Amino acid sequence: LAKTTQPISMDSYEGQEVNITCSHNNIATNDYITWYQQFPSQGPRFIIQGYKTKVTNEVASLFIPADRKSSTLSLPRVSLSDTAVYYCLVGDPRGFQKLVFGTGTRLLVSP
Amino acid sequence: EAGVTQFPSHSVIEKGQTVTLRCDPISGHDNLYWYRRVMGKEIKFLLHFVKESKQDESGMPNNRFLAERTGGTYSTLKVQPAELEDSGVYFCASSQLGGAPGYTFGSGTRLTVV
Repeated sequence: LAKTTQPISMDSYEGQEVNITCSHNNIATNDYITWYQQFPSQGPRFIIQGYKTKVTNEVASLFIPADRKSSTLSLPRVSLSDTAVYYCLVGDPRGFQKLVFGTGTRLLVSP
Repeated sequence: EAGVTQFPSHSVIEKGQTVTLRCDPISGHDNLYWYRRVMGKEIKFLLHFVKESKQDESGMPNNRFLAERTGGTYSTLKVQPAELEDSGVYFCASSQLGGAPGYTFGSGTRLTVV
């Protein structure tokens, strides 16, 4: 299972766009990149998943370059409620493999 | 659709006692997972059920932990006897082939062993 590296923490202000980058140099051909969000006292919550190029949903965008060795989660116009820990994970979703969580990125959004 | 439900939400027990955690996955989800986070550490995988069968139990720390999923519906995780280092938050997640991407997690059970 590919290991991921992401910043420990980030700070932002309400209304700004936040980009969290994740490195996954050893990503395998069948691996997808998945991001989860976790609030205190809750379990991780699926945000977005992608394989290559760009994926966008109502919550975020995920940018994946051609070499797929990194990815960037983009949160448009963050609000205070986006303060959470964000985890980047890689793996083959078709195999329902166990998820390997890293330290995640603790995002703090201030007024 | 109801989410993944775990109970109790909190449990405080004495060292040496037994505790049983329960997880009700989303109805129809064949895949059920247990994870835990001990204080200051990362979330770690414990085991994976496909229906009632244990698909992967490589993360179970020792034989004091016993997970069951009779009938392929809800699952229980029993810790007997509990030790201080078992304290942490235990998460359950479920997923289904052909369903929405990602896994759906419950809110977790916070276990404190004193």
